[in-house]
Amino acid sequence: DAGVTQSPTHLIKTRGQQVTLRCSPKSGHDTVSWYQQALGQGPQFIFQYYEEEERQRGNFPDRFSGHQFPNYSSELNVNALLLGDSALYLCASSPGNRGQVKLFFGSGTQLSVL
Amino acid sequence: SQELEQSPQSLIVQEGKNLTINCTSSKTLYGLYWYKQKYGEGLIFLMMLQKGGEEKSHEKITAKLDEKKQQSSLHITASQPSHAGIYLCGAQTGTYKYIFGTGTRLKVLA
Repeated sequence: DAGVTQSPTHLIKTRGQQVTLRCSPKSGHDTVSWYQQALGQGPQFIFQYYEEEERQRGNFPDRFSGHQFPNYSSELNVNALLLGDSALYLCASSPGNRGQVKLFFGSGTQLSVL
Repeated sequence: SQELEQSPQSLIVQEGKNLTINCTSSKTLYGLYWYKQKYGEGLIFLMMLQKGGEEKSHEKITAKLDEKKQQSSLHITASQPSHAGIYLCGAQTGTYKYIFGTGTRLKVLA
């Protein structure tokens, strides 16, 4: 049973460029959440996708957008990259039911913006 | 908004020593999660606590949630180099959003 998979593992971009990160959830999970983790910090919630719609969003600008596909996989897009967008981007999947749920994380995509 | 504060921020211990990591919430917790992260990698689930006074153990790691459900501690007994990493507490706020503490960086010297 494959867990959460993310691609690519590493990425280097320059300021102003656009980037797309990809995530496949754990088998049986229909909900995908994205987190940004800056160096030395805890993960910060970007948004969550369920039934191909953004269900909740954290305090991130509109430059951050996403998409969920019918097979539950998801993409995170970041436009007009800034140096401050350099971080580890984590994808987490979970079942879509309400209540306390355990998140399963991928290994992350390390994005460096030069 | 709810915040989680962890202490200490970093910890270096000799192999075989016991240690405790604390997590304090600014609001009542309805679920507290402990995760471990190796540097630059994803988070691995350790334990979830929901009830006041609850305590759970897995191998040499024990986590507790206080009666008021605002503080949790993670205790490692007889630490080993394999315990090294970043320990993060997390909480579910609202229906869908998680927040995390800033993490405690643990180094175990052989």
